[in-house]
Amino acid sequence: DTGVSQDPRHKITKRGQNVTFRCDPISEHNRLYWYRQTLGQGPEFLTYFQNEAQLEKSRLLSDRFSAERPKGSFSTLEIQRTEQGDSAMYLCASSFGGVNTEAFFGQGTRLTVV
Amino acid sequence: AQSVTQLDSQVPVFEEAPVELRCNYSSSVSVYLFWYVQYPNQGLQLLLKYLSGSTLVKGINGFEAEFNKSQTSFHLRKPSVHISDTAEYFCAVSVYNNNDMRFGAGTRLTVKP
Repeated sequence: DTGVSQDPRHKITKRGQNVTFRCDPISEHNRLYWYRQTLGQGPEFLTYFQNEAQLEKSRLLSDRFSAERPKGSFSTLEIQRTEQGDSAMYLCASSFGGVNTEAFFGQGTRLTVV
Repeated sequence: AQSVTQLDSQVPVFEEAPVELRCNYSSSVSVYLFWYVQYPNQGLQLLLKYLSGSTLVKGINGFEAEFNKSQTSFHLRKPSVHISDTAEYFCAVSVYNNNDMRFGAGTRLTVKP
């Protein structure tokens, strides 16, 4: 297994455009997480899936953000009408089991909104 | 909700010196504690975790951390660092039945020759 894969690695977009990121978790991992990391800060929790069900969403996730995990495999995170404040690294992680198990992180997608 | 404070944003040390990266947490319930490392251009990697039992936890690459409930701390230590330990280190906390893992702001460890 090659670990958690995220695509693209970098994305530059104009303000107001929509963007979509993809995350492929480690196979058979039932849990998938999205985090956002801005410069000088630690990762901030955005949302969490157990299999295909989205079980938690942070208040950081405004109406412009939506995440899906069809069939409980890969996940997508879409941001509509991007704003400059959305510029950040978006991290995906996956794990198997409960909150006390190790979460494996991807390398992230760096979004720059110009 | 639980939270984490990493007391040092940057820690410069010389090679082969000991190092301690400090982490304090806040929670009204029992916690699980983690240290992750992020090397340049790589994803976060788990160094070690405390779930229960012995308060001294050993991790990869010679790192260890001690859970101190009375001090609400989980400091990371290594007796002798290498140049290759240069990275960003994140302390994180989660609570039972809550998937919201909270991370600290990170400590940048720079090991100088």
